[in-house]
Amino acid sequence: QKEVEQDPGPLSVPEGAIVSLNCTYSNSAFQYFMWYRQYSRKGPELLMYTYSSGNKEDGRFTAQVDKSSKYISLFIRDSQPSDSATYLCAMIRGGFKTIFGAGTRLFVKA
Amino acid sequence: GAGVSQSPRYKVAKRGQDVALRCDPISGHVSLFWYQQALGQGPEFLTYFQNEAQLDKSGLPSDRFFAERPEGSVSTLKIQRTQQEDSAVYLCASSPPREETQYFGPGTRLLVL
Repeated sequence: QKEVEQDPGPLSVPEGAIVSLNCTYSNSAFQYFMWYRQYSRKGPELLMYTYSSGNKEDGRFTAQVDKSSKYISLFIRDSQPSDSATYLCAMIRGGFKTIFGAGTRLFVKA
Repeated sequence: GAGVSQSPRYKVAKRGQDVALRCDPISGHVSLFWYQQALGQGPEFLTYFQNEAQLDKSGLPSDRFFAERPEGSVSTLKIQRTQQEDSAVYLCASSPPREETQYFGPGTRLLVL
């Protein structure tokens, strides 16, 4: 079993929809939680970074962490075709070693 | 400012050939990471430097993989006697002091024939 599980999709939604992306993890030692966006043939780009349980909002993006359930989510409101990309969850136990999920491919149709 | 840069962007190697992949981190970033990303997968940690010190190389798949950062800035990932299973995108990332977030380069796409 992988430390971080993420449904690879693909997930296809119409423009304007609310998108929900999720990851589960097995190690309760994870302390820092990130979401990255990766366009085709590009490096990952940091979207959201959270430390504690709860919600963090940035524009159309909301990151949610539930440490008791070992479950994190990313919500995208008013999705746009330009949001079409692969979304990677990532976690750090402590120090520096980052563990990534496999990524979910998202397609937003105009 | 300039982001993380990597070169070459694409590399085709014959099986058994040695390759060297370069990473130029963001100026002032002390932490540098190398990852391997297979098709359809997330990045897998290879190694980590803090300045010139290699603090963790536990993710390197075999002793054919070697990384260095002799002056604490530019880093090189070297793969000796490449095998077909080494085909992947190799990503470099750097972090500023006292931050966990990482800034990624565009990657080097390696194809071993």
